[in-house]
Amino acid sequence: QQPVQSPQAVILREGEDAVINCSSSKALYSVHWYRQKHGEAPVFLMILLKGGEQKGHEKISASFNEKKQQSSLYLTASQLSYSGTYFCGTETSGTSGSRLTFGEGTQLTVNP
Amino acid sequence: DAGVTQSPTHLIKTRGQQVTLRCSPKSGHDTVCWYQQALGQGPQFIFQYYEEEERQRGNFPDRFSGHQFPNYSSELNVNALLLGDSALYLCASSLVGLTYNEQFFGPGTRLTVL
Repeated sequence: QQPVQSPQAVILREGEDAVINCSSSKALYSVHWYRQKHGEAPVFLMILLKGGEQKGHEKISASFNEKKQQSSLYLTASQLSYSGTYFCGTETSGTSGSRLTFGEGTQLTVNP
Repeated sequence: DAGVTQSPTHLIKTRGQQVTLRCSPKSGHDTVCWYQQALGQGPQFIFQYYEEEERQRGNFPDRFSGHQFPNYSSELNVNALLLGDSALYLCASSLVGLTYNEQFFGPGTRLTVL
């Protein structure tokens, strides 16, 4: 079952902050965050593992609550380049290279 | 360092035809996953190839098949195309054995079925 993302869309002014949430009904091994611009491939932002490890870009922060099976992506001091659709992908198995199940995305628009 | 590449970029087919899409993984990667992304939706997992075998499969009919070659590149074949197969097909590569299963996506192939 695919994770649920909220909000579906958000509009910001440059410099404002945003939080995007991802919630799953299944126990998760990891959560992956991607940003996709129109007509382009999803770009890896961050991965958070069960147990607290995480890896990602310096300017991106996120949290993973294993008990609630929820993850949040924090975008601070937004820039115009942050615009795009953000997807969370969840992994229920620790098997390397295992499938990701993606949410329907959150469309973020940053205006000047 | 070459990233994930896919070909062709765009493809137009008619119902009933067959199509083959190609993917070359990021240098050093050995695993390829294929995803279908309909307009306005998140990517949907089709299948995963590792060591030239299909290891995991999503909820897609047998019309979708694939192959992985010894150089880790992969093909996705779709037979008897339906209008509903129109989508962006994404290939993502990764390396087995790492702590972080980072999957890197290619630019995709936009398939239009008329």
